[in-house]
Amino acid sequence: AQSVTQPDIHITVSEGASLELRCNYSYGATPYLFWYVQSPGQGLQLLLKYFSGDTLVQGIKGFEAEFKRSQSSFNLRKPSVHWSDAAEYFCAVGSGRTGGGNKLTFGTGTQLKVEL
Amino acid sequence: GAGVSQSPSNKVTEKGKDVELRCDPISGHTALYWYRQRLGQGLEFLIYFQGNSAPDKSGLPSDRFSAERTGESVSTLTIQRTQQEDSAVYLCASGGYQETQYFGPGTRLLVL
Repeated sequence: AQSVTQPDIHITVSEGASLELRCNYSYGATPYLFWYVQSPGQGLQLLLKYFSGDTLVQGIKGFEAEFKRSQSSFNLRKPSVHWSDAAEYFCAVGSGRTGGGNKLTFGTGTQLKVEL
Repeated sequence: GAGVSQSPSNKVTEKGKDVELRCDPISGHTALYWYRQRLGQGLEFLIYFQGNSAPDKSGLPSDRFSAERTGESVSTLTIQRTQQEDSAVYLCASGGYQETQYFGPGTRLLVL
């Protein structure tokens, strides 16, 4: 069974500082990996995704993530955080079975607080 | 274009009543998913539709939960005889290119 671990429940960073949110997954085959962001009262917005190819993927809002198969990790990074980045971030793994369903398994989320 | 929409945005009901939650997916998306998000937790998969068939219902927590979909459009999630533990945000997503899922804003359900 697939699973996702986000070890940090809460993270606080200063505006302008760099950010790394950790995500570890468990999946038997090549995973499809996603990062979503959820702002208060909002639905989930896709930040970026990894299916195959280049292990460093770029997303929206200046975010990037690196797939490391040897570490079963897909950490999210941003070089300089903005106050508007304060939100909850979810990592997810999917089975990637095109046409056969891509049920996502989510981590429990990391709440990001940005200090001005 | 229009994204995934859900209605109602908020629903307060009394324990034991039935509720229906609606999801309108992005036009052309054949895949549709329902998830549940309890307070302070991640999302739990409930059910997956491909067209109007549901090949994966493995996440439905009990037989009080059911869902249907009309063609490749609207889906409704029905919870019968609601319990307080059903209180959660119910999120719908439709599946696009490479099965990337796009989420609606959710329905916040409160069972008193």
